[in-house]
Amino acid sequence: GESVGLHLPTLSVQEGDNSIINCAYSNSASDYFIWYKQESGKGPQFIIDIRSNMDKRQGQRVTVLLNKTVKHLSLQIAATQPGDSAVYFCAETLRYGNKLVFGAGTILRVKS
Amino acid sequence: DTGVSQDPRHKITKRGQNVTFRCDPISEHNRLYWYRQTLGQGPEFLTYFQNEAQLEKSRLLSDRFSAERPKGSFSTLEIQRTEQGDSAMYLCASSDQTGKNYGYTFGSGTRLTVV
Repeated sequence: GESVGLHLPTLSVQEGDNSIINCAYSNSASDYFIWYKQESGKGPQFIIDIRSNMDKRQGQRVTVLLNKTVKHLSLQIAATQPGDSAVYFCAETLRYGNKLVFGAGTILRVKS
Repeated sequence: DTGVSQDPRHKITKRGQNVTFRCDPISEHNRLYWYRQTLGQGPEFLTYFQNEAQLEKSRLLSDRFSAERPKGSFSTLEIQRTEQGDSAMYLCASSDQTGKNYGYTFGSGTRLTVV
């Protein structure tokens, strides 16, 4: 398959370490945010979401933090595994159901 | 029904030909979205539907692009007189408006190569 994300920032972590991926979103009026994982040649896969009335949300091994003051979103992955290697995108929308606007992605590489 | 289905997965066409892609959303989802993604970029919004109604179209969607969702179920995206710049991954997504489940689910995409 092709190499996705030729010009994207890369985060390299050791297997078992925690990863933090950051995203600056564009619209202060955005109400709903999603993190997606995308592997080469595949569509984006939903990881976790958060609404603007929350600061933090936890899933299985993942946590999303939202800082509306500085329009910043982060994804924390605990105990990173080789299967977590992919491109990660944040996305925002003004209102759930409207179009998603995607941020610049980040390549996560997990070293064994 | 296990997710969003797109057909075909890959399409190679000669410049100037017309192509049509199909998307079958998750059956309970009434909103359907089309995106385009090129190498090294995030998906870019093209258009979306609520049931049969096309609610928004991006300026990226030139006159050569048309999308339909005639019965509020599957959707088609047609590109007429294809150009090399149309080469990209075309992604479809759907979402549930009932409030029972949140999240936009994407299909695996159709990879278009215009030669």
